[in-house]
Amino acid sequence: QKEVEQDPGPLSVPEGAIVSLNCTYSNSAFQYFMWYRQYSRKGPELLMYTYSSGNKEDGRFTAQVDKSSKYISLFIRDSQPSDSATYLCAMTLSGGYNKLIFGAGTRLAVHP
Amino acid sequence: DGGITQSPKYLFRKEGQNVTLSCEQNLNHDAMYWYRQDPGQGLRLIYYSQIVNDFQKGDIAEGYSVSREKKESFPLTVTSAQKNPTAFYLCASRRLVQDSSNEKLFFGSGTQLSVL
Repeated sequence: QKEVEQDPGPLSVPEGAIVSLNCTYSNSAFQYFMWYRQYSRKGPELLMYTYSSGNKEDGRFTAQVDKSSKYISLFIRDSQPSDSATYLCAMTLSGGYNKLIFGAGTRLAVHP
Repeated sequence: DGGITQSPKYLFRKEGQNVTLSCEQNLNHDAMYWYRQDPGQGLRLIYYSQIVNDFQKGDIAEGYSVSREKKESFPLTVTSAQKNPTAFYLCASRRLVQDSSNEKLFFGSGTQLSVL
């Protein structure tokens, strides 16, 4: 079993839809949770960064962490064609020297 | 502008050839990382370095080598021992702190390596 599971998709939605992307994980010690957005043949860019449980909102994006269920989500409201990309979740233990563990990435297509 | 620069963007390798991918950062980050990305498999860690002149194997180090002679530079060599080198290679870096916080990881724009 992988430490981090993420449905690879592809996920296809119409413009304006609410998108829900999810990851589950097995290590209850993970404390930091991230979402990266990666356009085709580009490097991933950090989208959301949260510590421990709870919600974080940034514009159209909301990240949720449920540590009791070992489940994290990224919601995209009013999705746009420019949101079409692969979204990678990542997580790590507390402490600056720990490596990040990545999900496989979910490919999202938002069509006009 | 501060950032991570990877070169070349595209690279082709012939049978039995070693090739080197360049990664330079001007963010004054302590740690640097090399990841390999294959379709549908996410990012797999090849090597990482937390300090100059020291580096550690990641999950898939076989067939690869690195050096860290300068803080700014972390080149990756794909050797002829790597039998399936075709992939998208990503370099990343971040600051390291000794407290319980966790600094963010930043990526370069990647190098696509293909076999001729």
